[in-house]
Amino acid sequence: EVQVLESGGGLVQPGGSLRLSCAASGFTFSSYAMSWVRQAPGKGLEWVSGISGSGGTTHYADSVRGRFIISRDNSKNTLYLQMNSLRAEDTAVYHCAKPTSGFTSQDYWGQGTLVTVSS
Amino acid sequence: QSALTQPASVSGSPGQSITISCTGTTNDVGGYNYVSWYQQHPDKAPKLVIYDVNYRPSGVSSRFSGSKSGNTASLTISGLQAEDEADYYCSSYTNDNTLEVFGGGTKLTVL
Repeated sequence: EVQVLESGGGLVQPGGSLRLSCAASGFTFSSYAMSWVRQAPGKGLEWVSGISGSGGTTHYADSVRGRFIISRDNSKNTLYLQMNSLRAEDTAVYHCAKPTSGFTSQDYWGQGTLVTVSS
Repeated sequence: QSALTQPASVSGSPGQSITISCTGTTNDVGGYNYVSWYQQHPDKAPKLVIYDVNYRPSGVSSRFSGSKSGNTASLTISGLQAEDEADYYCSSYTNDNTLEVFGGGTKLTVL
C-alpha cells in the first residue's frame, strides 16, 4: 500500500526556517518525481515545488523560489522541503504528493503538516 | 503564475448531472493534455478523480468524466450523489518556470 507521511510542521516566527520531511513507502520511491502542495487555511490548493526521481531536476512556484529548497534521499525514501525566510503568507498545511507519472496528476497525498508563521 | 479559473460554486440535485469548468491559457490547459481534477472533502487530503484530461484512476466511479476544448477543461459528474458534495480543483501542467498550476476550487453542493 502506497503511503506518504509528512512531518516537521510547527510554529515559527517570520524570517525563520523550518524543514519538512515526507516518508514514503509502498512504491519504488526513486522512480517517481514528488511534489509539495500547500493549502492556506480556508483557501485553495497551491503547488509549491517538485523534484525528479533522481533529484537532478527541481521546480518551484514563483512565490517560494529563492526561499525554499526541495530535496530527496532515495536511500531513505524521504522527501524534504527546507523553508527559509518564512512569511505569514506561507502559513498553510503542506502536503507531500506522488504523481501517477511525470510530475503532475498527484494520485497519492499525505494528510499534511501544518506550518504557522507568526510572531 | 496565474491560477486557472473555476466557478466558485455549483449545485445540483441527486441524480442530476453537473459540469465544472476550468479555464486557462495556451501555456497550460490549452497547450497540453495534462489536466487533472481533484475532489476534497472537509479536513481531508485531496483525491485524484481525473488525470490527463479524461482518464479515471482505478477505483474512481465512472460517474466522473473529463473533457477539454481549447483553453477550457471540464469535469462532469453524472447521477449526482450526496457523497459527491465536496470542493473540486483542477490543475494543469504549465510551461512557465513552474510546473503545475491549480484552479481556485469549486464548491459542489448537492441539494
